[in-house]
Amino acid sequence: QVQLVQSGAEVKKPGASVKVSCKASGYSFMSYGISWLRQAPGQGLEWMGWISGFTGNTNYAQKLQGRVTMTTDTSTSTAYMELRSLRSDDTAVYYCARGKNYDDAFDPWGQGTLVTVSS
Amino acid sequence: SYELTQPPSVSVSPGQTASITCSGDKLGDKYVCWYQKKPGQSPVLVIYQDTKRPSGIPERFSGSNSGNTATLTISGTQAMDEADYYCQAWDSSTSVVFGGGTKLTVL
Repeated sequence: QVQLVQSGAEVKKPGASVKVSCKASGYSFMSYGISWLRQAPGQGLEWMGWISGFTGNTNYAQKLQGRVTMTTDTSTSTAYMELRSLRSDDTAVYYCARGKNYDDAFDPWGQGTLVTVSS
Repeated sequence: SYELTQPPSVSVSPGQTASITCSGDKLGDKYVCWYQKKPGQSPVLVIYQDTKRPSGIPERFSGSNSGNTATLTISGTQAMDEADYYCQAWDSSTSVVFGGGTKLTVL
């Protein structure tokens, strides 16, 4: 079955960077893209951006432009999301989700990775 | 920027029909998805392209979208349906946009 497995929880200090991985299985990685989303404590869902599994082309949310980089390793069917210059309001559960294009529904989702930013 | 508005909470009795709305300017011109989010779990897609159900989603979940409002309807609501529900659409200026979420209580 289609599955996305994310890396484990992270604790970072303000100003640091974090890189979260998302390993895909059960489908042709290069036939789909991966979106990254997050949910801060007590808040709603926020889309961060999308990367093509075939071309590596990206589409980032305007709010995060310049701080986020999404990459893929097709040899291991793994997507990565790096967020830099972390702030306390970046504390959230980060999810990866499959979508053919950035305007495709997100299905399925990874299990989530808690990133805590605290001094 | 484009915004989607959902009621913060909806309550329904077991076996009854729950309707959760999502409002946005000319939303009927866009495709809408709905996600179910239970505490401690990842979101699950329950409706895509306004009305379609992914495989494995019970038939009691249905969707509609017209004018400025999309609606998620759960017929014969069960206790297991208690969750937060988020609508989502795409906009040329904002890319992906989510509603604020609706907490469905089954009591």
